[in-house]
Amino acid sequence: NAGVMQNPRHLVRRRGQEARLRCSPMKGHSHVYWYRQLPEEGLKFMVYLQKENIIDESGMPKERFSAEFPKEGPSILRIQQVVRGDSAAYFCASASMNTEAFFGQGTRLTVV
Amino acid sequence: QKEVEQDPGPLSVPEGAIVSLNCTYSNSAFQYFMWYRQYSRKGPELLMYTYSSGNKEDGRFTAQVDKSSKYISLFIRDSQPSDSATYLCAMSVSGGYNKLIFGAGTRLAVHP
Repeated sequence: NAGVMQNPRHLVRRRGQEARLRCSPMKGHSHVYWYRQLPEEGLKFMVYLQKENIIDESGMPKERFSAEFPKEGPSILRIQQVVRGDSAAYFCASASMNTEAFFGQGTRLTVV
Repeated sequence: QKEVEQDPGPLSVPEGAIVSLNCTYSNSAFQYFMWYRQYSRKGPELLMYTYSSGNKEDGRFTAQVDKSSKYISLFIRDSQPSDSATYLCAMSVSGGYNKLIFGAGTRLAVHP
């Protein structure tokens, strides 16, 4: 029973490049959540998606960030024109209706 | 003021000690309360999940919720070096909706 799979585990991007983070939910889960964790801080909610729908994006920065969860394939968190302040660990969690969320191991993004 | 306050520690205890971890919160709408354990450079792992006020015990772990005081606690009995990790409290308004608000986490070190 594979857990929530995130890739890549580590990603290095130069300022101005694009970062794409992938999340494959646990089998049977159709709800995906993205969180960001800055050093020495707790996780901050970014966005909640169900298949082909964004349900709540209240935690997403207004510019450069987008997320999708297509009918087929993983959920993608996309960061355009990355800046140093985007360096963080990005965690994905998946759930089914009325269950708690299970987290992946995260993608650590470093912007140089 | 943050919605969820958690003392970041670090907390250092000898093996076998009883550990008390605490969070306070300001939003009286929170109904579901969780404790996650996060090892270094790993994803959060759900430890305890409670609804409303009261106690819940699972092995060496006991979670307490006092909604009247907006205060939650996690107790670890007979602490082990393998318990050394960061402990994050989290809470949500709805049980079927995993938009979680996290505390900053308390770093715990249990030394032999």
